[in-house]
Amino acid sequence: SAVISQKPSRDICQRGTSLTIQCQVDSQVTMMFWYRQQPGQSLTLIATANQGSEATYESGFVIDKFPISRPNLTFSTLTVSNMSPEDSSIYLCSVERATDYGYTFGSGTRLTVV
Amino acid sequence: RKEVEQDPGPFNVPEGATVAFNCTYSNSASQSFFWYRQDCRKEPKLLMSVYSSGNEDGRFTAQLNRASQYISLLIRDSKLSDSATYLCVVRADTGNQFYFGTGTSLTVIP
Repeated sequence: SAVISQKPSRDICQRGTSLTIQCQVDSQVTMMFWYRQQPGQSLTLIATANQGSEATYESGFVIDKFPISRPNLTFSTLTVSNMSPEDSSIYLCSVERATDYGYTFGSGTRLTVV
Repeated sequence: RKEVEQDPGPFNVPEGATVAFNCTYSNSASQSFFWYRQDCRKEPKLLMSVYSSGNEDGRFTAQLNRASQYISLLIRDSKLSDSATYLCVVRADTGNQFYFGTGTSLTVIP
């Protein structure tokens, strides 16, 4: 299955600033997915990133707050903009597995906004 | 109603015990089902896919009951290393939307 490198693994940021999270996949994939996991909660899909088109955002998430880039089939970034403490969470990228249609996840970015 | 519901636990069991988790899903047209394991401060990792015929992988057995819309995971001969949160995941019948349960916490005690 695909191997995903995600960075940074963690960061502590000041409110009002922005953080860009990167995910690099070792193979070409059509879609990449960005999830958020808030403390004690399950995973919530933020958006689906397709190469060559705008990302598709889920209800409650907007491009101005979470801009996404997908410049090629192996890379994507998620930016958390104008951060507030409520954005403190784990952010995960993922790709679909070709073998069984499950997901493989990046190692996650643990974000704390102070 | 949530798409996927799990008993959050925690389940605290002694080594060697057998433990079972259940998960229910709301969309009867869901097509794919998975159990993921998430260790503390780590990303979720696929434990096993769940098929209608049921499937077994060593000490782990997964079952799907479409009529009742629930999925189960059975762990036999629990090991200390089985301590983790187990996430039930259901893929929607259309598109690429996956729905995650909130997870069931398992602690295996020496």
